[in-house]
Amino acid sequence: AQKITQTQPGMFVQEKEAVTLDCTYDTSDPSYGLFWYKQPSSGEMIFLIYQGSYDQQNATEGRYSLNFQKARKSANLVISASQLGDSAMYFCAMRERNTDKLIFGTGTRLQVFP
Amino acid sequence: GAVVSQHPSWVICKSGTSVKIECRSLDFQATTMFWYRQFPKQSLMLMATSNEGSKATYEQGVEKDKFLINHASLTLSTLTVTSAHPEDSSFYICSASSGNEQYFGPGTRLTVT
Repeated sequence: AQKITQTQPGMFVQEKEAVTLDCTYDTSDPSYGLFWYKQPSSGEMIFLIYQGSYDQQNATEGRYSLNFQKARKSANLVISASQLGDSAMYFCAMRERNTDKLIFGTGTRLQVFP
Repeated sequence: GAVVSQHPSWVICKSGTSVKIECRSLDFQATTMFWYRQFPKQSLMLMATSNEGSKATYEQGVEKDKFLINHASLTLSTLTVTSAHPEDSSFYICSASSGNEQYFGPGTRLTVT
């Protein structure tokens, strides 16, 4: 069965610093997709970044990058130059092949302080 | 990116009544939509997959007679919580796929008194 693990319930980072949020996954399927979402206190889920299992390069979207290590089954999110507005819950998710269903990790609460 | 809307954004209802939540894809067609439930300080749990023109597929442990899903068009899926009870109070979020990405609605906060 597919599984997503986020071992950091909470993280603190100072403004303008970089932070890495950990995510490991388990699947026997060779084809899968990995996602990161941000959920601020308002509750909306904001799509941040996507990595396909066959993508050769790590995905990047502005200040977000995904450190994809396939052999270790990890897909850590790196946020560079943190901003106060980055304070939120962050969820890692994996998509099952052929169904589009997303399986979510338990999330990491990131707090950015001045 | 694609936009998904939900209505209402919050609702309070009395125990025993039914509540309908709408999920719309505003600028794209979605043959498949998903309904999630999120309890406070917890992750999103998939409830069901809504397929346009056919019956929804429910996850294990989700009562299909309690959570009625209808996907009548390519842009609209509805979730009806029937005979709601206080334990159904939660944050309900829908999503729809567009290409490789999956876009979420803003969520509906349901409180059953």
